[in-house]
Amino acid sequence: EVVVTQSPGTLSLSPGESATLSCRASQSVSSSYIAWYQQKPGQAPRLLIYGASSRATGIPDRFSGSGSGTEFTLTISRLEPEDFAVYYCQQYGASPPMYNFGQGTELEVK
Amino acid sequence: QVQLQESGPGLVKPSGTLSLTCAVSGGSLTTRNWWSWVRRPPGKGLEWIGEMYHTGTTNYNPSLKSRVTISLDMTKNQVSLRLTSVTAADTAVYYCAREGGYRLDYWGQGILVTVSS
Repeated sequence: EVVVTQSPGTLSLSPGESATLSCRASQSVSSSYIAWYQQKPGQAPRLLIYGASSRATGIPDRFSGSGSGTEFTLTISRLEPEDFAVYYCQQYGASPPMYNFGQGTELEVK
Repeated sequence: QVQLQESGPGLVKPSGTLSLTCAVSGGSLTTRNWWSWVRRPPGKGLEWIGEMYHTGTTNYNPSLKSRVTISLDMTKNQVSLRLTSVTAADTAVYYCAREGGYRLDYWGQGILVTVSS
């Protein structure tokens, strides 16, 4: 089973700044199996990025994903007030078939 | 537009069985998608519970496999979750979600289930 670790646990930034969130897998994984979600209090997670770098429908272009192998990154440029939330990295593992989530990164207003 | 809506008891007694239903609208369970359940315990992150395909194939989180059953009702277009022998550790917001190619692209709003006597 692949373990997914996100860092940092909490990121304190101001609107207008850029955020870099990291996701590390315990073993090399296909980029096709990596997704990122945003979750705000009281709401369901929202798919932001899939296939490591493709934006989901309706996601602003200030959100971008990159990476390969064991290291993946979500970058949010020009932070807007509505971007402050918890972000999860997800890896789909084929053996056994299952979704593995990171513990989340909380992006908070500095 | 696919929409999912969870329903079920918000309170379950310890050692009891948690049963939830997810009504799917705007899409059929027989499309080429898997249907998942995910939960988020208070103060913790997301945990995938399991998934089912319309052919009857299921995959479960190994940590919950012995207690979980996911089923599909094609006539009602509903996804169900059954979790037995619950404890306080099973207290969480439970979400149903649709798989769209190794990612979960549509989610229900979630339902809080508390395990308490």
